[in-house]
Amino acid sequence: DGGITQSPKYLFRKEGQNVTLSCEQNLNHDAMYWYRQDPGQGLRLIYYSQIVNDFQKGDIAEGYSVSREKKESFPLTVTSAQKNPTAFYLCASSIGTGGIWTEAFFGQGTRLTVV
Amino acid sequence: QKEVEQNSGPLSVPEGAIASLNCTYSDRGSQSFFWYRQYSGKSPELIMFIYSNGDKEDGRFTAQLNKASQYVSLLIRDSQPSDSATYLCAVERDAGGTSYGKLTFGQGTILTVHP
Repeated sequence: DGGITQSPKYLFRKEGQNVTLSCEQNLNHDAMYWYRQDPGQGLRLIYYSQIVNDFQKGDIAEGYSVSREKKESFPLTVTSAQKNPTAFYLCASSIGTGGIWTEAFFGQGTRLTVV
Repeated sequence: QKEVEQNSGPLSVPEGAIASLNCTYSDRGSQSFFWYRQYSGKSPELIMFIYSNGDKEDGRFTAQLNKASQYVSLLIRDSQPSDSATYLCAVERDAGGTSYGKLTFGQGTILTVHP
């Protein structure tokens, strides 16, 4: 079945530690995204990637880093520079044809908690 | 003014009624519009996308788009208790060929369908 797989589902981070969230898709989508959701709020864009080996900062990129070495994979690293990392992290992918974007699907999310 | 604004909730409707969810957006160049359903603790699930003015129907769901008024809505007919969730409106951003499918989300509207 085609879809987006995020792992782990739950992640605990100690102060000063870097952690990496995994995101894999087999939908053959070119574009991938990372969003963050805080309780009772909408989603905010962290990073996005249109093609392999290229990615751009979103609205709240500080304290995060990404890579896009393969079309299927877009991991997110939450660094120690991110002062308030506790949130629900969502990976998405999308496809555009003729400038119309459709099929914007999300993975099941990773809930990150600082301990 | 927020870029994407949804009608404040929570919204409560009786089972079998029509639930109406509304969303306004500020970017006149946006071309793709999405409605997601999010159950508590879960990731957003795509219900519908729409990019042409008018109505788009899929089962019990109808999306309505009016680009002149910068307004998009979602109607849920014959509402069921299982429809109780948070509904997120998302709008393609930075249109004009450079959006790369990035979305701006509203804050969500909580819908409760009571028996």
